[in-house]
Amino acid sequence: EPEVTQTPSHQVTQMGQEVILRCVPISNHLYFYWYRQILGQKVEFLVSFYNNEISEKSEIFDDQFSVERPDGSNFTLKIRSTKLEDSAMYFCASTGTSRNTEAFFGQGTRLTVV
Amino acid sequence: GENVEQHPSTLSVQEGDSAVIKCTYSDSASNYFPWYKQELGKRPQLIIDIRSNVGEKKDQRIAVTLNKTAKHFSLHITETQPEDSAVYFCPSKRNNDMRFGAGTRLTVKP
Repeated sequence: EPEVTQTPSHQVTQMGQEVILRCVPISNHLYFYWYRQILGQKVEFLVSFYNNEISEKSEIFDDQFSVERPDGSNFTLKIRSTKLEDSAMYFCASTGTSRNTEAFFGQGTRLTVV
Repeated sequence: GENVEQHPSTLSVQEGDSAVIKCTYSDSASNYFPWYKQELGKRPQLIIDIRSNVGEKKDQRIAVTLNKTAKHFSLHITETQPEDSAVYFCPSKRNNDMRFGAGTRLTVKP
C-alpha cells in the first residue's frame, strides 16, 4: 500500500539553527500539508500546498517557515531559525485529486530544539 | 470556514461496551465527513468516512451515521477493545483544509 514517508524520524537541533524536514507524499497525490503536534496537545494545521504554491497557511506559519517541492517527489518544510517552542512532532500529509478525501499522514518527524 | 463541535471530550467505557462520539457541523453545504483515530505517539489515520448522499456506513465494528437535517454525524464503535483506546477526531474545514480540534479521548478499560 502506498504511504507518505518522512525523514528523519527524529531530529535534534540547536536553537537558532535551520532545519529541513523532508516528506515524500504518495506519488499521484496533488495536495500536500504540514501539521505539527506539540507533546500532549492537538494536531495543528501549518500549511497546504497545491500546484506548486501555498494554498493556505495558518497563523503559526510565519516568516520562519517555508515549504518547497524541489522536484517531483519531495515536499520539504524549512524552519529558518529554530526556537525552543518549535519542538514538536511534524506530520506531512497528502490527499489525492480532491481535499475532500482521505488524508494520508506520514509517521512524523520529532523535532527537538535544545 | 466550517465550525465542528465534538462531544464528549473524554469517554471511558468497559471492554465490550459500545462507544458513541458525536460531531455537529455548521455548514449545510458540507458533503464529506471523515473520522480519524490517533493512537498515542502515532500518526492520525482515517478509520471511516461518509459522504452526504449516504445516511450510514459500516465497517466491521465501526459505523458512522449522518443526520443532514440536524447537521450532525456520529461515530459508533461496538464491542470495544483495549486497542480502540485513542483520540478520535472529526476535523473541521477552513478553506477546504482540514483542521483538528482536541478530539475525544476514548479509554477502553479491560
